[in-house]
Parts: sequence; structure tokens; C-alpha cells
Amino acid sequence: KQEVTQIPAALSVPEGENLVLNCSFTDSAIYNLQWFRQDPGKGLTSLLLIQSSQREQTSGRLNASLDKSSGRSTLYIAASQPGDSATYLCAVHAGGFKTIFGAGTRLFVKA
Amino acid sequence: GAGVSQTPSNKVTEKGKYVELRCDPISGHTALYWYRQSLGQGPEFLIYFQGTGAADDSGLPNDRFFAVRPEGSVSTLKIQRTERGDSAVYLCASSLELLAGGQAGELFFGEGSRLTVL
Repeated sequence: KQEVTQIPAALSVPEGENLVLNCSFTDSAIYNLQWFRQDPGKGLTSLLLIQSSQREQTSGRLNASLDKSSGRSTLYIAASQPGDSATYLCAVHAGGFKTIFGAGTRLFVKA
Repeated sequence: GAGVSQTPSNKVTEKGKYVELRCDPISGHTALYWYRQSLGQGPEFLIYFQGTGAADDSGLPNDRFFAVRPEGSVSTLKIQRTERGDSAVYLCASSLELLAGGQAGELFFGEGSRLTVL
């Protein structure tokens, strides 16, 4: 059974700091991995999608990497801003059409 | 519309009542998913539609939950005899169908329907 774990559960950093969020999954047989952002009381906004054949994706200040063999992904946020404060979720699209989510990392960027 | 639309955004009901939640996916997306999210948790898979048929309903918690997608577009999640434990945010997502070579499409989520059962 696929399980997704995100570490840390919460993170507080000063504005301008670079940071890394971690995601691990137990079964390497995945189709893709997707990172989302969720603001309080809102739905999920897709940030980056990495297909199983890819090793990383970049969008602006965000960079996501994927290491299937070790069951790990990281989301790197450069030069963090207060507007980056949100919960970040990683999700693994595994067999059977399911996408399995981690519990998320709550990020707070202090001005 | 441009994105996934869910209605109602909020629903308060009494224990034992029947509830319907609606999802209108992105035009052209054949795959549709329902998830449930409790406070402080990640979304939990409920059911997946490919076109009109439910390809995977293994996440539905019990037979009080049912979902339909009769014309392959709009979907309705139906909950009978609601219980307080059903209170959660119900999220809908859509994507293009599985692509060639085993790749899967990007998921796009709606804003969710917050259900409160008193």
C-alpha cells in the first residue's frame, strides 16, 4: 500500500530564506508526483508535476526533484516571501488511478 | 468555465439528512476524482470516473456514499443518512485521461464543498 509522508509538518522561516520541503513515498511504481499549494479554506493549486520519467521540474522560484528509486521528492523554494505562506502538499499518482496525498507541510514566512 | 467548479461551497445539514454535492470539471477533461479532506490532513481518495463510468470507487467509506457522472461531464456525490463523521471538505478534481506511455495528467482541483453535519 502506497504511503506518502511529508517532513517537516510545519516550518517557520524569515523572509528571503531558501528552504526545502521533503516528501517520501513507499512504493516507487508511480506515474507521476505533483506538488500543490493550499491556502486556508481554499482548494488545491497545482505547482509542479513531475512525470515518472523525469528527475526535476522548475517554475519560477520553485524547483521540484524526484528520485523514484529512493522514494523521495523535494520542493525547493528560493528567496521565500510572506505570500508563500500556505500548506504544501505532495501527491503520488500510483496504480489504480488513485492519487495518494501526504498530510502536508504548513509553511509560515515571516516578514 | 475555466476551472473546476463545485457547488455548494458550504452546506450545513442535520444528522440523517440526504446531501448532494456537485462538480463541474474543466471542459474536455475525461477523468474526474472526488476526495475528502479533514482538518489538518491531506485529501483522501473517494472515487474516480473515466468518462461516465466509475473506474475505481474503492475509497468510498460505505454504501451511504454514491457518485454519478451520467453524461461524462458534471458529477454529483450523494450522501445518504448523513452522520457527524461525514463533516469534511469534499474536493473534486479533473484531468486529461492517462496519456500514452503510462504518464498521467495533471490534477486540477475545485475550491471544495465544506459539509457540516450537526
